[in-house]
Amino acid sequence: QKEVEQDPGPLSVPEGAIVSLNCTYSNSAFQYFMWYRQYSRKGPELLMYTYSSGNKEDGRFTAQVDKSSKYISLFIRDSQPSDSATYLCAMINDDKIIFGKGTRLHILP
Amino acid sequence: DAGVIQSPRHEVTEMGQEVTLRCKPISGHNSLFWYRQTMMRGLELLIYFNNNVPIDDSGMPEDRFSAKMPNASFSTLKIQPSEPRDSAVYFCASNRDSNSPLHFGNGTRLTVT
Repeated sequence: QKEVEQDPGPLSVPEGAIVSLNCTYSNSAFQYFMWYRQYSRKGPELLMYTYSSGNKEDGRFTAQVDKSSKYISLFIRDSQPSDSATYLCAMINDDKIIFGKGTRLHILP
Repeated sequence: DAGVIQSPRHEVTEMGQEVTLRCKPISGHNSLFWYRQTMMRGLELLIYFNNNVPIDDSGMPEDRFSAKMPNASFSTLKIQPSEPRDSAVYFCASNRDSNSPLHFGNGTRLTVT
């Protein structure tokens, strides 16, 4: 089993819809969780950084962590065409940082 | 904050040639990471440094790859000799401490023909 699993997509949704992106992981020692957004020909850009289980909100973005289920999610409300990108989850445990392979998201105008 | 700066942005070279990729981390960040990204494998960690010292180079694919960090503001990743299968985007990233998020540069797109 891979340490981090993420559906590669592509995921296509109409503008204005709520987007749900997810990752599962196998190592219960992971403590810190991140979501990155990567536009074409750019480096990954940090979107959200969380530590504990529960929700963290920043504008249209909400990160959710469920440590008991080893499951993290990123929700995007009122999705915009500019949200079209690849979204990567990542997790940290004592210097070890593991990335998911990313989900390609297309927001259709 | 200028962010992580990588050069060159693009590199096209012939098989067998030496390639050197450069990175300037964010000032004050203590760790520096080199990643390779491909469609098939996603982001792969090649090596990371802490306080200029290589900590984990288990991701370096072969002896053809080497990395140095002579000071806190500069690192290089060298491939000698390069091969077509090395074609990928190479990212440098840095962070302040072990549990801080990584900040990435915009990468070097390497094509080896």
